[in-house]
Amino acid sequence: NAGVMQNPRHLVRRRGQEARLRCSPMKGHSHVYWYRQLPEEGLKFMVYLQKENIIDESGMPKERFSAEFPKEGPSILRIQQVVRGDSAAYFCASSPLAGAVNIQYFGAGTRLSVL
Amino acid sequence: AQKVTQAQTEISVVEKEDVTLDCVYETRDTTYYLFWYKQPPSGELVFLIRRNSFDEQNEISGRYSWNFQKSTSSFNFTITASQVVDSAVYFCALSEAGTDKLIFGTGTRLQVFP
Repeated sequence: NAGVMQNPRHLVRRRGQEARLRCSPMKGHSHVYWYRQLPEEGLKFMVYLQKENIIDESGMPKERFSAEFPKEGPSILRIQQVVRGDSAAYFCASSPLAGAVNIQYFGAGTRLSVL
Repeated sequence: AQKVTQAQTEISVVEKEDVTLDCVYETRDTTYYLFWYKQPPSGELVFLIRRNSFDEQNEISGRYSWNFQKSTSSFNFTITASQVVDSAVYFCALSEAGTDKLIFGTGTRLQVFP
């Protein structure tokens, strides 16, 4: 049973370009979470999605960031017009059910570097 | 407000030493869950344990043990007879009933030297 798959593992973009990060949840999981880890910091919640629905986006920056989890295919975190401050590791997690009790299983992350 | 504090930024030990990683949390909820994750040098986060707020029993899993004390809002993690493979960053996290997000501490980097 494959774990949470994120790609690419490393992504380099120049300022102003777009970054697309993909996350395929574990088999049977329909709940996806995105977190951002800045250097030397803990992970910060960004957004929680179920298939075709954004449930909680309280941690998402108001501009340039968007996320989706379509009926078919992986979840996508999209960052438009990247800036140097977007350089971070972005982690995706999935769980089989909703609720605080559920264990979130994490992928290996995408390390975004903005030049 | 919810918060998780891991005051130890970095700990270095020699193999076979015991080491305790501290975690202090803040929450107003009576129902909540506490987690520990390990982030080895390869970068992924590995789930270690989940504990709910109504279960204060300590837990042992091999060389790992966890001490949950509601009176001091702490959920500490002890590694007995540490090994080089234990070298990683360890994160403590909190989730409250009614939400689905994890609130992480800033992590403790553990280095185990041979």
